[in-house]
Amino acid sequence: QVQLQESDPGLVKPSETLSLTCTVSGGSVSSGSYFWSWIRQPPGKGLEWIGYAFHSGSTNYNPSLKSRVTISLDTSKNQFSLKLSSVTAADTAVYYCARGYWYFDLWGRGTLITVSS
Amino acid sequence: EIVLTQSPGTLSLSPGERATLSCWASQSVSSSYLAWYLQKPGQAPRLLLYGASSRATGIPDRFSGSGSGTDFTLTISSLEPEDFAVYYCQQYGSSPYTFGQGTKLEIK
Repeated sequence: QVQLQESDPGLVKPSETLSLTCTVSGGSVSSGSYFWSWIRQPPGKGLEWIGYAFHSGSTNYNPSLKSRVTISLDTSKNQFSLKLSSVTAADTAVYYCARGYWYFDLWGRGTLITVSS
Repeated sequence: EIVLTQSPGTLSLSPGERATLSCWASQSVSSSYLAWYLQKPGQAPRLLLYGASSRATGIPDRFSGSGSGTDFTLTISSLEPEDFAVYYCQQYGSSPYTFGQGTKLEIK
């Protein structure tokens, strides 16, 4: 069965770039059917869609983060990644990778990213 | 951006009772592109319904959804102990895809 697993960088300093990777096992990021997304959840709060990448190379980002976000696929490693630049404390959250068709039918377990000096 | 508002914020019920959760959209959600998720503490959300009323794989039939336009409902016909959690609605009719703030379903 397909599983998603986020990397775990843990702590990121303010103004630096947050980098996360999601490894896909039991399936392929090259699958033509799915969008590969990142979603985050600040502690005790709700969910925020960050963006997605498609195997064709197309991407779509939340306008609230668009200037700071890059999502890309690495088909050779069967992974997709998130880069979020110029982070602040407001970016502290659990970050989930997810697969979907605009809704999300499979999620990783999530990784807590804390922005702190 | 479509804003989703869920009601109530907290719902206190007993096992065996019927639960009705609401999700209102600030503008019409095209083609009923609305999904529902359940999230338990420390876990990722799990997809329950998509297309407003289609159950995801493995979801029991006590979960049902209805609605269109700006008004959507998730109904749990008879609550099981494992159903007590936080429920989120999400629209994917227009980008950015947005979530409601959640309804906490707690044991009475």
